[in-house]
Amino acid sequence: EPEVTQTPSHQVTQMGQEVILRCVPISNHLYFYWYRQILGQKVEFLVSFYNNEISEKSEIFDDQFSVERPDGSNFTLKIRSTKLEDSAMYFCASIERGLNTEAFFGQGTRLTVV
Amino acid sequence: GESVGLHLPTLSVQEGDNSIINCAYSNSASDYFIWYKQESGKGPQFIIDIRSNMDKRQGQRVTVLLNKTVKHLSLQIAATQPGDSAVYFCADFWGYASGGSYIPTFGRGTSLIVHP
Repeated sequence: EPEVTQTPSHQVTQMGQEVILRCVPISNHLYFYWYRQILGQKVEFLVSFYNNEISEKSEIFDDQFSVERPDGSNFTLKIRSTKLEDSAMYFCASIERGLNTEAFFGQGTRLTVV
Repeated sequence: GESVGLHLPTLSVQEGDNSIINCAYSNSASDYFIWYKQESGKGPQFIIDIRSNMDKRQGQRVTVLLNKTVKHLSLQIAATQPGDSAVYFCADFWGYASGGSYIPTFGRGTSLIVHP
């Protein structure tokens, strides 16, 4: 069964450092998302990406965040200068087409900022 | 902004009982909903979906009910098993991003604990 894969599964970084979280969405999907989940809290939308550009972003997704689809398969989330409060699980998701279709989620990357 | 929320943070049941998890949504324009199950350390997994032109949908051991009048969703799990222990989220799909995509918005989640 096709799945969304994320690497690494766990990333520890020092405050102020840049991190790149990687995702490989399902190959024929067109819409891509990043979410984060702080421990014990809900899954929060960060950004959606379609047709090689950001289509929506939340207020969480500030100038420290960026996304890229550098080739035909990877979808990355970069945090330029990590803060302690960026510690969370980050989930990538993809959707095959637009309306009324399921979002498939990866297993997540646990980011720990120390 | 508008949001999806869950009534109960924790639900404890005995194995074999039926479980009912509730969800309220506030975006009256939402027309597609998904229930996700999240096990510890894993990403959300699709359980069942429902469109706003339906009021009930059944899967294997699960049923989702949608009451658009009061903007309420419920997930019913029949004969709950220990393997059903997880956090359950409802998500509503809102908005039209470029290309007509919906963006799933999650509530806080209900933790289901099944006692053997």
